[in-house]
Amino acid sequence: DQQVKQNSPSLSVQEGRISILNCDYTNSMFDYFLWYKKYPAEGPTFLISISSIKDKNEDGRFTVFLNKSAKHLSLHIVPSQPGDSAVYFCAASGSGGATNKLIFGTGTLLAVQP
Amino acid sequence: ETGVTQTPRHLVMGMTNKKSLKCEQHLGHNAMYWYKQSAKKPLELMFVYSLEERVENNSVPSRFSPECPNSSHLFLHLHTLQPEDSALYLCASSQGGPGVSGPLHFGNGTRLTVT
Repeated sequence: DQQVKQNSPSLSVQEGRISILNCDYTNSMFDYFLWYKKYPAEGPTFLISISSIKDKNEDGRFTVFLNKSAKHLSLHIVPSQPGDSAVYFCAASGSGGATNKLIFGTGTLLAVQP
Repeated sequence: ETGVTQTPRHLVMGMTNKKSLKCEQHLGHNAMYWYKQSAKKPLELMFVYSLEERVENNSVPSRFSPECPNSSHLFLHLHTLQPEDSALYLCASSQGGPGVSGPLHFGNGTRLTVT
């Protein structure tokens, strides 16, 4: 049973608009969440993270929101740029972010149209 | 070279072959990982090494054999694989070891096809 779910396999957005990528989790013990971005033929790269003691973390155009009661987090990209087109993975951990306990979602392919 | 480097980028092997995947990190990290990414599945953690000692083996079949000779190098030795082992194999490293939070730094992966 998947503990981290990204139910949208793909998303298409116009350049300049907001991209919202969603992630749901089932394990209430998760306390640290990360987003990774992956271009074709490259490995995933870390984008942004959030601890469960916060409900929002912002880094430039990227903002992650955490709703613990709904067990839901989302990544907002605004404004979206064509270079943001990639697969985005959500990951969660229940051990203060312990790297060997990260559980990944299946990813969402974002396409930003010029 | 910087970051995490994996070789080869692509590998095709028969079920009776023996091959090895190589990973090298130039980040001064002290933990290294092997992940498997199959089509439409989440990344699956296979092995974790911290300070050259294996600290995690996620029920991986014995036909996959990791080796970590030092903190900068990690190998995955493959023998008598099955077609279902075809996947993208990703190496990663981190600072502070597996019990510490912080981002993983991934290599570009080896695309393995077992025929």
